[in-house]
Parts: sequence; C-alpha cells; structure tokens
Amino acid sequence: ETGVTQTPRHLVMGMTNKKSLKCEQHLGHNAMYWYKQSAKKPLELMFVYNFKEQTENNSVPSRFSPECPNSSHLFLHLHTLQPEDSALYLCASSQGWTGGIYEQYFGPGTRLTVT
Amino acid sequence: KNEVEQSPQNLTAQEGEFITINCSYSVGISALHWLQQHPGGGIVSLFMLSSGKKKHGRLIATINIQEKHSSLHITASHPRDSAVYICAALPGPTSGTYKYIFGTGTRLKVLA
Repeated sequence: ETGVTQTPRHLVMGMTNKKSLKCEQHLGHNAMYWYKQSAKKPLELMFVYNFKEQTENNSVPSRFSPECPNSSHLFLHLHTLQPEDSALYLCASSQGWTGGIYEQYFGPGTRLTVT
Repeated sequence: KNEVEQSPQNLTAQEGEFITINCSYSVGISALHWLQQHPGGGIVSLFMLSSGKKKHGRLIATINIQEKHSSLHITASHPRDSAVYICAALPGPTSGTYKYIFGTGTRLKVLA
C-alpha cells in the first residue's frame, strides 16, 4: 500500500450507532488531518495531529472523537450522529505542520450517510 | 467574501480545448496548492508553488505573488480531465495559522 488509505470507503449508520473511520499513511509523515466535505462547500478542517499530539480542534462537536495512536494511523470515532453529519470525510497527511511549507496528501475519503 | 476565490465555478469544454481556471486570494501566503477531485471523492495533488510556473504533462500552474493570483491551465483537454479543481492557500508565516484556506472549487466537464 502506498500513500494515504482510508476505510471504509462507504458507511451508512443510524443516529444511535457507534462506528469508526480509519486512516493510514505510508509516507513517513508526522502530521495527520481529518477534513469534512459537505455538498457544495469547501473542505472544512476538523482536527490536526502532529507527532501524535492534537494541535487543532476546529470547534468540532464531541460526537466526533479522534484518536491518533501513532504517526501512521488516525481514527475518527463516531457516535450519536445527526443526519447533517452526512458528508465525505477525508484524511490527509504531511511531513510537518509548523515551520515550513508542507504539502498535504489526501486519502480517497469515506462517504458517510447518517439515517 | 471568501479569502480564496475561484473562477469559473463551472466550466464545460470540448475535447482538445485549452482550459484556464483562476484562483485569487486576499491573504499573504507561503504557497498555493492545486488539487484535483474526481467524482469518487479522492483528492490528488497536482502542484504546490510559491512563485513562477510549474508544468507536468498537459497541466501548467502559474502564480503571481504581487497580484495574489494563480492559474491552472490544461492544454489539449480530454474527458478524463473532468473533475473538480480546488486551490488551497497555505497562509504566510506571519498569519499565525498553518491551516489551508480552500477555494470552493471549479467543476470541469470535458465533452468528447
């Protein structure tokens, strides 16, 4: 596997379910990101992890809970979501977060539908 | 008004046409990133540039820092170029943030 991978690619869940999204990067990067992309809106940054430490939480509701066990893996735990949370969730990684110009590499995304 | 504006929002072209997508920004930046998003959702990095011009195959990206403007050109367009093209600005070091600022995207459709 190369680049940034995400599983699952599609997820349908009820409002009372608990599920997790997984992201893995094989690029040796130190920073990882979760983005949300709703229809006809720009990408919205949710969380940033740099060297496994959370450095950004963009006022994301607590029903989204990120976890970064190491620099290669990032999870987004979901519980009691709302229909308006239906969107494409994209993971990205970059060599660094601060102190330089770092290009972000994106995964294929997980298309989430909340019923 | 968004800090990063793209034009046009939608573009339909005939195969073989020369295409230009524009990105204007109102903040100081370290670099500008052009991305391509196919209908399946995945995003592919095209170019990251801080000055001048970059070329890869049929794609050319230019940036004018003084005018705060970047363009993405596609020569000899092909139906497989159909996608959403997104520009993202990486704020400059004095901004206090490292977050990308995304444009809303340009939806390109190339007809055979």
